[in-house]
Amino acid sequence: DTGVSQDPRHKITKRGQNVTFRCDPISEHNRLYWYRQTLGQGPEFLTYFQNEAQLEKSRLLSDRFSAERPKGSFSTLEIQRTEQGDSAMYLCASSRMTGNYGYTFGSGTRLTVV
Amino acid sequence: EDQVTQSPEALRLQEGESSSLNCSYTVSGLRGLFWYRQDPGKGPEFLFTLYSAGEEKEKERLKATLTKKESFLHITAPKPEDSATYLCAVRSGATSGGSYIPTFGRGTSLIVHP
Repeated sequence: DTGVSQDPRHKITKRGQNVTFRCDPISEHNRLYWYRQTLGQGPEFLTYFQNEAQLEKSRLLSDRFSAERPKGSFSTLEIQRTEQGDSAMYLCASSRMTGNYGYTFGSGTRLTVV
Repeated sequence: EDQVTQSPEALRLQEGESSSLNCSYTVSGLRGLFWYRQDPGKGPEFLFTLYSAGEEKEKERLKATLTKKESFLHITAPKPEDSATYLCAVRSGATSGGSYIPTFGRGTSLIVHP
């Protein structure tokens, strides 16, 4: 069990560019979550998958954001036409079905839009 | 809508000086209250899950308690390595109109001086 891996750790992009992040969850966890966190705030929920199905999306997730989890394994989060307000830490987490034992988070991808 | 308020925002303690962090919540049907620890530049690390009023959980110098309106994280004789941001999250039951996805508070930043 190597934990939840996220790649890249840091990304600097120009406004208007597209970016894609990858998350590799713990292999036996069938739920995968994406959160966004800005300085001084708690994580904000974006979306989650159960296996390959995307079951819920937050109202925060604009049309510029899309997430996939092909084959129920790794997941990608894409942001199109980035804006400065997208600058944040993007966290991925995974859990067993119930999530009763909490989520295991990755170390996140720090996005800076300049 | 689930609401979580953590206090204080920041807390400075001397090594060995015990204290408590507070998490007040408003949910429609609590289905779990979670405590996480977050170190700078890293994702949150799961500590405890509490489900019902009166429940307590302990881990080393940390003890979490739960009432119908709030939870406390008690830190006994803290050490500098306990310095981190402590996040509280609540999950409500989907059957009562809520979501299974936890809502996080903003956290309490704890610094323990040697």
